[in-house]
Formats: sequence, C-alpha cells, structure tokens
Amino acid sequence: GAVVSQHPSWVICKSGTSVKIECRSLDFQATTMFWYRQFPKQSLMLMATSNEGSKATYEQGVEKDKFLINHASLTLSTLTVTSAHPEDSSFYICSARTSGSLRYNEQFFGPGTRLTVL
Amino acid sequence: DAKTTQPNSMESNEEEPVHLPCNHSTISGTDYIHWYRQLPSQGPEYVIHGLTSNVNNRMASLAIAEDRKSSTLILHRATLRDAAVYYCIFNSGNTPLVFGKGTRLSVIA
Repeated sequence: GAVVSQHPSWVICKSGTSVKIECRSLDFQATTMFWYRQFPKQSLMLMATSNEGSKATYEQGVEKDKFLINHASLTLSTLTVTSAHPEDSSFYICSARTSGSLRYNEQFFGPGTRLTVL
Repeated sequence: DAKTTQPNSMESNEEEPVHLPCNHSTISGTDYIHWYRQLPSQGPEYVIHGLTSNVNNRMASLAIAEDRKSSTLILHRATLRDAAVYYCIFNSGNTPLVFGKGTRLSVIA
C-alpha cells in the first residue's frame, strides 16, 4: 500500500515557540491531505483538509492562524503550530488521499507526531 | 458528522474469532463502510472497506447487513497483535474520514 511519512516523530518545545511538522506521501501523489489531532484516551479529531495549491479548509473550532497548513506540492504538506502552549500538546496525524478514476479513494495515514509543549 | 455506534470495548481469547459490530443507521446508498484500527502511539491502519457485498481480505472479513444499517468486522483468529482500537466509519468518496470512539479490543493469551 501507499506510504505516508511524518517528520519529526516526536518533538518537545518550549511554550511560545513554533513547531513545523512535515507530512509526505512517498510513492503517490496526494491531491488532498488531512490533519488530525488526538488527545490521550480520545479519538482522532479532524483539524483541516487541504488540497494541493489551495488554502486549507479548517474544521469548526480550529484556529487557522494558530495551525498553519501548507500543501504546496503533491507530496508534501506541513502543519505549523505557532506560539505553541502546553494545551497544544497532542498526537498529530496526517493523512493523504489521491484522486483518480476510481470512486473509492483510500485515505492513507502517517505514523503521527507527538508534540509536547513545556 | 457521520455517526456510527460501536461497543466501547470487547475482549477475546487468542486464536478465537472476534466479531466487532457497528451500527450506521444513517448511512446513505452511496456511502462506503470503512474499518481502520489503531495501535497505541501509531497512526490508523486500514483494515477493510465495503459498499454492499461482504468482503474478505488477508486481515479480516466484513459482513454488511442487507439494509446496510449495520456491519460486522470479523477477525478469524485473534492474535495478541490484533489488540487495538477498531474504528468503523462511513462516508462518501470525497469527504474525509471522521472517527468515532471506536471499540477497544483486548486479546487474552
């Protein structure tokens, strides 16, 4: 199956700093990428959807100025957590989907990035 | 949001079959049924998907009710590595997957 990678796998930062997380589709072109956040003992929560070359669409309650998403190429999307605070500590997971002639388009998930803000 | 109902947790003995149920009474005729699972500190892993007919793959089987309002994921012989949270999701082709709470499966040796 298709592979999605994330970098870094974990990061610890001080409060007030910005952190960038990269998501890459390694063997396919991802026309659409999704970012999810998962707090301990909870399910994944969709944060935003981005299409290559377009602005991301954020879910209700997700601050677009705090979580900057860039999807400049068909194989790379980045999520930047600006001015991170302890409450932003979470497990961030990206997902990628290609588009094609098939009606069913599978979403492939990355391994996740654990962010800890001190 | 596309809502599904799953038991919070289930338990199985190793090497026995496991049937994980899911209710999706609001599913529409063009929605796919997906099953993903997530191991601790990992991203979700695709298990199986279906539309109307039952499906089999190397990981599991998916039994879909005739009215499509429910489905059952079948693991034919549970192993310790199958212990995970299993998510049942339905959506149309172009909308993102929205996760519910899932079922936490424990496998006892």
